Amino acid sequence: DIQMTQHPSTLSASVGDRVTITCRASQSISRWLAWYQQKPGKAPNLLIYKASSLKSGVPSRFSGSGSGTYFTLTISSLQPDDSATYYCQQYNSYSTFGQGTKVEIK
Amino acid sequence: QVQLQESGPGLVKPSETLSLTCTVSGASITSYYWSWIRQPPGKGLEWIGLRHNSGSTNYNPSLKSRVTISLDTSKDQFSLNLSSVTAADTAVYYCVKHHNGDYDDAFDIWGQGTMVTVSS
Repeated sequence: DIQMTQHPSTLSASVGDRVTITCRASQSISRWLAWYQQKPGKAPNLLIYKASSLKSGVPSRFSGSGSGTYFTLTISSLQPDDSATYYCQQYNSYSTFGQGTKVEIK
Repeated sequence: QVQLQESGPGLVKPSETLSLTCTVSGASITSYYWSWIRQPPGKGLEWIGLRHNSGSTNYNPSLKSRVTISLDTSKDQFSLNLSSVTAADTAVYYCVKHHNGDYDDAFDIWGQGTMVTVSS
């Protein structure tokens, strides 16, 4: 199994802040990584695929980068609607997810 | 637009088989891979398995001995069977569409999810 580890588990930031979440894979996954946003009681929503490709309709304040074993999701200017839990997913070898990062607004 | 809708019992007894169906609308069920994912209450996401109309399947090794995913093109549905369930199988179950139609892929369309509780 490829293990995915996210940091931090929780973060609290103010509106307008730049926020970065990291995701590490236990072995190289090239760029086969996706990011999802999940709000309470809702299904996850795909934000980023292939490490840095923004899904159509997702605000441009979201961006992804990385390759191999280290990846980041950045929100350039945090908005109140961004309060959610974020998950990374590797799809190099079937699929595994990180444990999630809960983003709270101060 | 593409929509997925899960259906099935919300309560299953221990040792029995959990059976769910996902109805696809707005996309050709023969053109994509489809997966099931679950999320125990308050926990993270676990991929269960995938299926394509070609017959191609793959399952999470941790569940492989208990899982079957099938596809019915006449009804635009795919289904999940999980046998010998225990309380550890209590979760919200999601059906999802593979983004680019690839075997290993991101998941761009999700059903709303259905809560299944395993209890006597």
